[in-house]
Amino acid sequence: NAGVTQTPKFRVLKTGQSMTLLCAQDMNHEYMYWYRQDPGMGLRLIHYSVGEGTTAKGEVPDGYNVSRLKKQNFLLGLESAAPSQTSVYFCASSSQGAGNTIYFGEGSWLTVV
Amino acid sequence: GENVEQHPSTLSVQEGDSAVIKCTYSDSASNYFPWYKQELGKRPQLIIDIRSNVGEKKDQRIAVTLNKTAKHFSLHITETQPEDSAVYFCAARTTSGTYKYIFGTGTRLKVLA
Repeated sequence: NAGVTQTPKFRVLKTGQSMTLLCAQDMNHEYMYWYRQDPGMGLRLIHYSVGEGTTAKGEVPDGYNVSRLKKQNFLLGLESAAPSQTSVYFCASSSQGAGNTIYFGEGSWLTVV
Repeated sequence: GENVEQHPSTLSVQEGDSAVIKCTYSDSASNYFPWYKQELGKRPQLIIDIRSNVGEKKDQRIAVTLNKTAKHFSLHITETQPEDSAVYFCAARTTSGTYKYIFGTGTRLKVLA
């Protein structure tokens, strides 16, 4: 049981390049999330999804797009990377219902130069 | 919008002493409050959680208390050990509309041997 898997784990991008982070979960969870983590800023929600085919904006959505074409996958896209998007990105998932915990992937370290 | 404040941002204690981390949430509809421990370079891992219908929960050296009226919840670690050194995050799961987890900014705990 792999849980939540993110790819790639490390990436260096040049300003203006595009890329997609892939998140896959094998727990049949309805909810999936993308967070970014910056020093002293905690975990900030970028986008989330409550089910296949649905997405919603979180706290810091600008510069990112997401898609959830399949229940088990949640993709995070950067159309035109900026140095301010240098961060660690965590995908997470949880099941529906009150009090169900959120499980994190191992993180993706992204540097934009 | 929803917000979770966490204090202190750093905490140093002597081995064997207790550590307390406090969080305040803004959304009165929040009903689930997990705590995560994150070691350097690793993903956040759930250590304890509490639901809104419970005032206190304990698991060995770790306890969490919740004051719904004041919208406060706290993490208590007793008999601290060097391996407790990590960053700790509190979170509140909101139920306004859809389920979202909002995280505090983290507390870096250092246990001095």
